[in-house]
Amino acid sequence: QKEVEQDPGPLSVPEGAIVSLNCTYSNSAFQYFMWYRQYSRKGPELLMYTYSSGNKEDGRFTAQVDKSSKYISLFIRDSQPSDSATYLCAKKGGSNYKLTFGKGTLLTVNP
Amino acid sequence: EAQVTQNPRYLITVTGKKLTVTCSQNMNHEYMSWYRQDPGLGLRQIYYSMNVEVTDKGDVPEGYKVSRKEKRNFPLILESPSPNQTSLYFCASSPGTGQADTEAFFGQGTRLTVV
Repeated sequence: QKEVEQDPGPLSVPEGAIVSLNCTYSNSAFQYFMWYRQYSRKGPELLMYTYSSGNKEDGRFTAQVDKSSKYISLFIRDSQPSDSATYLCAKKGGSNYKLTFGKGTLLTVNP
Repeated sequence: EAQVTQNPRYLITVTGKKLTVTCSQNMNHEYMSWYRQDPGLGLRQIYYSMNVEVTDKGDVPEGYKVSRKEKRNFPLILESPSPNQTSLYFCASSPGTGQADTEAFFGQGTRLTVV
């Protein structure tokens, strides 16, 4: 089983929609969870960073972690065409310093 | 401006010809790492460095070398490139080396093609 599983998409939504992006993970030792956004032909940029279960909100973005079900989510409210990108979930924790990425979900927000 | 700078951005080379991809950060970060990104496989860590002269293997280190002689620089060396090393490469950095630190800055990427 892969350490991080992410819905590959692609996902296409109309402008203004609420977007839900999801990942599951298999190793309970993971403690830190991140979401990165990667525009085409660019490097990933850190979007959200959470520790433990619960929600974290930053503007239109909400990151949610459910440790009991090993599920992490990113919600985007009032989605904009500029949100069109690949979203990568990632986890860190356990006995090493390695950051483990999901394979990414390609999101397109249509005007 | 805080940034991670990679060079070159694009490179086409032939099998067996040694090459170096440079990476430099201007934030005095302790931790630096290299990733490769391939379709269907995502981002995979090649090597990482927790400080000057401290490096260790990531998930896919075969065929690569790194060095960290200065805090700001972390070059990736392919001694004898092969076509299976054709990929998109990213350098990243993090302020610290603790479990709570994460790669906060990525370079713009180097598209390498080995023919």
